[in-house]
Amino acid sequence: DTAVSQTPKYLVTQMGNDKSIKCEQNLGHDTMYWYKQDSKKFLKIMFSYNNKELIINETVPNRFSPKSPDKAHLNLHINSLELGDSAVYFCASSQIKTGRGTEAFFGQGTRLTVV
Amino acid sequence: AQTVTQSQPEMSVQEAETVTLSCTYDTSESDYYLFWYKQPPSRQMILVIRQEAYKQQNATENRFSVNFQKAAKSFSLKISDSQLGDAAMYFCAYRRGYGGATNKLIFGTGTLLAVQP
Repeated sequence: DTAVSQTPKYLVTQMGNDKSIKCEQNLGHDTMYWYKQDSKKFLKIMFSYNNKELIINETVPNRFSPKSPDKAHLNLHINSLELGDSAVYFCASSQIKTGRGTEAFFGQGTRLTVV
Repeated sequence: AQTVTQSQPEMSVQEAETVTLSCTYDTSESDYYLFWYKQPPSRQMILVIRQEAYKQQNATENRFSVNFQKAAKSFSLKISDSQLGDAAMYFCAYRRGYGGATNKLIFGTGTLLAVQP
């Protein structure tokens, strides 16, 4: 029973297209994140949501738009895809307790390739 | 701003031997967590071990243990009795303790560990 699941696992698309990545967690956590891992394996936060509210919005092109329909889901929509968007995108979740967060659990990642 | 540095891009160990992966970090805060994550070829990010900064005792999880030197801002991972399944990229990560959902993981650049049979 997967704790944090992302779909699709692989995504190959052409430049200029619009695509979405979906994430769902069944851990009952109230906070979800998107991280990006570039070609050199460097991981960096993109967004976080707490109870459907956007909390962290790092310096990300506005072609990237996250959406959280409920606490268990966080989607990432990317418009007008560019070659440089090719990366692995990870969804993660954690629980905030008395202002402190538990460790983050990660999904299996979505490898996005823009051609 | 907080930073995490892993100075060993690649390491190699013989099966059944012990290896230590290095990590240093920079922060002006006193309340934080440190983590080691493992990323095998499957790409899944797996939490290996976690350390709270306020705890002096080093964390241990089976064959994995850390050497947490708070004053030196050092957080190394020791893997004992290395197994072939330990081969992976290992990431050291920092997160502030308070601040709830504003917290984010700050990762090092990773150390690729090879295990030789």
